Amino acid sequence: DIQMTQSPSTLSASVGDRVTITCRASQSISSWLAWYQQRPGKAPKFLIYKASTLESGVPSRFSGSGSGTEFTLTISSLQPDDFATYYCQQYHSYPYNFGQGTKLEIK
Amino acid sequence: QVQFVQSGAEVKKSGASVKVSCKASGYTFISYAIHWVRQAPGQRLEWMGWINPGNGNTKYSQKFQDRVTITRDTSASTAYMELSSLRSEDTAVYYCTRVLITFGGYMDVWGKGTTVTVSS
Repeated sequence: DIQMTQSPSTLSASVGDRVTITCRASQSISSWLAWYQQRPGKAPKFLIYKASTLESGVPSRFSGSGSGTEFTLTISSLQPDDFATYYCQQYHSYPYNFGQGTKLEIK
Repeated sequence: QVQFVQSGAEVKKSGASVKVSCKASGYTFISYAIHWVRQAPGQRLEWMGWINPGNGNTKYSQKFQDRVTITRDTSASTAYMELSSLRSEDTAVYYCTRVLITFGGYMDVWGKGTTVTVSS
């Protein structure tokens, strides 16, 4: 199985900050990576696929990059709505594992 | 709009089974696989398996292989996930979501989740 590890687990930031979350795969997954946002008590919301392609309707302040084993999700200027938990997910092979999540908190 | 309506919360005893339903609307049901993902309290998302609604083919995570059954009713655009031999560790929110069959792996629309509580 491919293991997904995110860092940091928690990130404190302020509105307007630029933040980056890292996701590492235990083996190469090419660009078969997705990112999701989850607010407390809600279902995940799909943000990015194929490592860097933004889903329609997702604000352009979100961006993704990487390939192989190392990936990043960047939010260029944090908005109040962005404080949530973010998960990466590989879809290179089954089982489709997720990272443990990065909780983005207000500083 | 595309949406999934999941069945209501369940409380079960250890050893029992639970069956969660997921009714799809707003798209062609057989064009997307239905995947099931669960999330225990404070834990990461965990993929369980999927079904191709067109032909009924399934694939399950090895972790749940012996206990999970995913089925569908194409006439009702509904998928089902049944988990047997429940234990306390199965207490979680269970989500259905969809993945494009022809090219996918990412889960673009999610149900709101069904809370399953297992008590001894």
